[in-house]
Amino acid sequence: NAGVTQTPKFRILKIGQSMTLQCTQDMNHNYMYWYRQDPGMGLKLIYYSVGAGITDKGEVPNGYNVSRSTTEDFPLRLELAAPSQTSVYFCASSYGTGGEAFFGQGTRLTVV
Amino acid sequence: QQQVKQSPQSLIVQKGGIPIINCAYENTAFDYFPWYQQFPGKGPALLIAIRPDVSEKKEGRFTISFNKSAKQFSLHIMDSQPGDSATYFCAASNMDSNYQLIWGAGTKLIIKP
Repeated sequence: NAGVTQTPKFRILKIGQSMTLQCTQDMNHNYMYWYRQDPGMGLKLIYYSVGAGITDKGEVPNGYNVSRSTTEDFPLRLELAAPSQTSVYFCASSYGTGGEAFFGQGTRLTVV
Repeated sequence: QQQVKQSPQSLIVQKGGIPIINCAYENTAFDYFPWYQQFPGKGPALLIAIRPDVSEKKEGRFTISFNKSAKQFSLHIMDSQPGDSATYFCAASNMDSNYQLIWGAGTKLIIKP
């Protein structure tokens, strides 16, 4: 059982470039989330989805976009990368509300 | 009102000691309080969780104590081991926020052999 798989694990972007962080889960979870983790700041929710075709903004959505065309996939798009987007990004999924969230291993992104 | 305040930021304990990590919240509507454990280079993983209808929950060496009136909850690790060295996050959520987790800032715990 793979759980939540994120790619790539590491990436260096130049300012102004764009990229997509991939996230796939094989647990048939309805809920999926994107977080960013900065040192000493905990996790901040970027976007989340409660099912295919439905997405909503979290606490820090600016500079990001998401789509959810299937239950399994929830890619995060960064347009016009900025140094402030240097962070570790985690994708997570859960079966429903109020339950355990399963996390991927993270993508460490550096914008220079 | 949506914040969860976690302390301490870091903690060093000798093997066998009982580290205690504390979290405080303001939103009385929160009704789910999980603790997640994160090892370096890995994503967080659920360790233990509690709902406000009980004051304590134990799972192995890990215990959550919950004080509803004080709006505080804490994680205790009994007989701590070097393998428990990790970053621990508390969180809270409720139905009103569609159970989006509100996270504490994390505690980096080091257990010395």
